[in-house]
Amino acid sequence: GQSLEQPSEVTAVEGAIVQINCTYQTSGFYGLSWYQQHDGGAPTFLSYNALDGLEETGRFSSFLSRSDSYGYLLLQELQMKDSASYFCAVLKAAGNKLTFGGGTRVLVKP
Amino acid sequence: ETGVTQSPTHLIKTRGQQVTLRCSSQSGHNTVSWYQQALGQGPQFIFQYYREEENGRGNFPPRFSGLQFPNYSSELNVNALELDDSALYLCASSTGDDYNSPLHFGNGTRLTVT
Repeated sequence: GQSLEQPSEVTAVEGAIVQINCTYQTSGFYGLSWYQQHDGGAPTFLSYNALDGLEETGRFSSFLSRSDSYGYLLLQELQMKDSASYFCAVLKAAGNKLTFGGGTRVLVKP
Repeated sequence: ETGVTQSPTHLIKTRGQQVTLRCSSQSGHNTVSWYQQALGQGPQFIFQYYREEENGRGNFPPRFSGLQFPNYSSELNVNALELDDSALYLCASSTGDDYNSPLHFGNGTRLTVT
């Protein structure tokens, strides 16, 4: 079987840093992606990690440890517009077929 | 570059009926995937099409079927609707050039089965 675990909800204030952890159990693993989804909106791609280490894209960074079956998304300098759901997703095989976690709802307060 | 568009945005059907949802992918994107997203959950992979051929299927019964057309449009058909089919259905396209090409999602069709 396969499963992805991430916290259901995180609350933080503007300017803070939030780390969303994702642990996975899966047969076959190519990489870990992160998507953001605002209420009523489409999921949008944030990052992809195939190799161990940290990938930085502006205020957002993503980390992967393949040996630990673990990754995280780091949101820095939080802004109100970052209030959304964040999903980790495992790429199990070639062809962009993603298995998504249940999502972490991030609420940013003033 | 146009985005991914889906129609209709909302739909209400009765149990046992059939439904067709439509998607127009970004030009040049040869791969289209369909996902089902229940309220408060992550998207679940239904199936994927690459150049008009099914290219992988998730854990969904055969009453979920699809088509992809040469003009970058695609359909998701669901027969014999059940109450549990109520969900947001998302279409996502990608170039298919790399196995990890980012998915570009549409805003989805919200299906309610009563």
